[in-house]
Formats: sequence, structure tokens, C-alpha cells
Amino acid sequence: AQSVTQPDIHITVSEGASLELRCNYSYGATPYLFWYVQSPGQGLQLLLKYFSGDTLVQGIKGFEAEFKRSQSSFNLRKPSVHWSDAAEYFCAVVAFRTGSARQLTFGSGTQLTVLP
Amino acid sequence: GAVVSQHPSRVICKSGTSVKIECRSLDFQATTMFWYRQFPKKSLMLMATSNEGSKATYEQGVEKDKFLINHASLTLSTLTVTSAHPEDSSFYICSARAPGVYPSYEQYFGPGTRLTVT
Repeated sequence: AQSVTQPDIHITVSEGASLELRCNYSYGATPYLFWYVQSPGQGLQLLLKYFSGDTLVQGIKGFEAEFKRSQSSFNLRKPSVHWSDAAEYFCAVVAFRTGSARQLTFGSGTQLTVLP
Repeated sequence: GAVVSQHPSRVICKSGTSVKIECRSLDFQATTMFWYRQFPKKSLMLMATSNEGSKATYEQGVEKDKFLINHASLTLSTLTVTSAHPEDSSFYICSARAPGVYPSYEQYFGPGTRLTVT
């Protein structure tokens, strides 16, 4: 079964510093991968997605992610973090289960704190 | 485009009563919608998959008689929490599968509904 691991529960960075949030997946074939962001008390907003093609994916708000098949990873990066980036970040993979719709399986999330 | 709304955003109800949460796709038709539950500082747990015109598919461990889902039209799915109890208090989020380009595995999420049962 597909699964997603986000090893870091909480990350703190200073404003202006670079950021990398880790995501590892477990899936036999090429996965469909997503990064979502959730502000407190809000729903999820899609940052970027990977289906195929170029392994470096650009998203909104200056985020990018790189798909590395050899490492089963899809890490999210941003070169310079802004205070408004403080939020919860979820990595997700499409789950292919027989007889069911194509569901998303989410990682446990990484809480990002940005220091002034 | 691809906006999903939820109503209400917050609801407080007394134990034993029922509460209905609406999920609407505002500018697209959604044949499939999903309902999630999120506990504080936790990830999203898929409760059920809602298909227009047919019965919802519930995940293992989710009580289908307690969490009634109706997907009556291509733009509306509802979740009714029946005989609510304090342990049903949670943040409920719906999503709709993105329309258009295949493969449409992407989901658009509503803003969530905070349910508090007293």
C-alpha cells in the first residue's frame, strides 16, 4: 500500500533563511505526489504536484520540490522563507486501491515556525 | 477557478442532536467528493468518498449510520453527523476531485468546518 512519511514534526527557521521539508513515499511504480499547505483553522491549499516529466517542480508562493526516485523522496524547498509561510505542510500521494476512487494518502504533516 | 466552499464554518450543537455540513463546488462539477476528519495537530483522516447519485464509500472504522453522506448533485455533498456526542467534535474538511485534464487526481479542499458538541 502507498504511504507517505514526513520525518520532521516541527521545523523552525528564521525569516529569510532557506527551507527544506522532507517527504518520503512508499510505492512500487511512479507515484503521483502533492504538497499542500494548511494555515490554522483553514482547509488545504495545493502548493505543487508531480505526475511525470521534469523532476523539479515549481509551485506557488516560491516553493519548489524535487522528485528523486532513487531516494523515494519528494522534498519541498524554498530559498527564502517569509513570515507568512508559517503553517502546516502536508505531503500526499495518490492511493491506488482496487475498486475505489483515487484517494490521497497524507503524511503526518510538518509544522513550520518562522522566527522574525 | 476550482473553488470549494463549506457551510457552516463553525457549529456548536448539543449532545444527541444532528448537524449537517454542506460542501459545494462553486465553479465546477464534481462527480467525486471526499470527506476528511482532522484532529488537533494531526493529519487528515479520510472518512468517506462521495459519488454523485450513488452511495458513499466509507473507510474502515467509520460508522456509516452516524456519518450520513449524500451527494445529491454534481455541486453539493452533505455530511450529517447524527446523534452527535462530544467525541465527534473535530475539524471536518471536504474536497472535490479537480475537473478537466486526465489524470485528475488532484483535489481541491474546502475551508473546513469546526464542530463542537457540548
